[in-house]
Amino acid sequence: GAVVSQHPSWVICKSGTSVKIECRSLDFQATTMFWYRQFPKQSLMLMATSNEGSKATYEQGVEKDKFLINHASLTLSTLTVTSAHPEDSSFYICSARDRSRKGEQYFGPGTRLTVT
Amino acid sequence: GENVEQHPSTLSVQEGDSAVIKCTYSDSASNYFPWYKQELGKRPQLIIDIRSNVGEKKDQRIAVTLNKTAKHFSLHITETQPEDSAVYFCAASPLGGGYQKVTFGTGTKLQVIP
Repeated sequence: GAVVSQHPSWVICKSGTSVKIECRSLDFQATTMFWYRQFPKQSLMLMATSNEGSKATYEQGVEKDKFLINHASLTLSTLTVTSAHPEDSSFYICSARDRSRKGEQYFGPGTRLTVT
Repeated sequence: GENVEQHPSTLSVQEGDSAVIKCTYSDSASNYFPWYKQELGKRPQLIIDIRSNVGEKKDQRIAVTLNKTAKHFSLHITETQPEDSAVYFCAASPLGGGYQKVTFGTGTKLQVIP
């Protein structure tokens, strides 16, 4: 149980285009989903926290207009990187908190984004 | 906000020896402390967690201790094996309320030498 999927697993796009990444909790309801960014050999940097049905809370320094987050249901959150630039290339990982198991957080497999 | 520091950044041990990773946190509101293992190119996996009403928790070769007064917690791996080689992250989070933000440490790269 407690499986989180993420799609796509990798994507290459051109500068100026937008990319949407989906995060799904497959066998549980997630009241809260988190989006992280991870650079090589570095820790996970929290970008934003989203609660189902409400606006996402963005961390300081993260542009909300560039990284659009939609938490449409208790099992789906999406991150859209708008007008992507090469510096947006990174590993993006989502995680979800199980509504029934307070506190535990499960990670998706991540999405490798490369902007050319 | 919360600040989690983690040491050491790299750790090499001989197979069979013990490994200890230490973390400190700053926010007294944090009461949930998970540890994650991340292998290269893969997702972080929860390996053990501890809540602030407990001082120690053990699961086979892995144990975690928490000192709330000093605001530090540690991961102990005994009888290390090559498959324990990975990056380990500690984290701290307040439970309860709507926000529940998780703050991660900077990670420790553990290498177990056969």
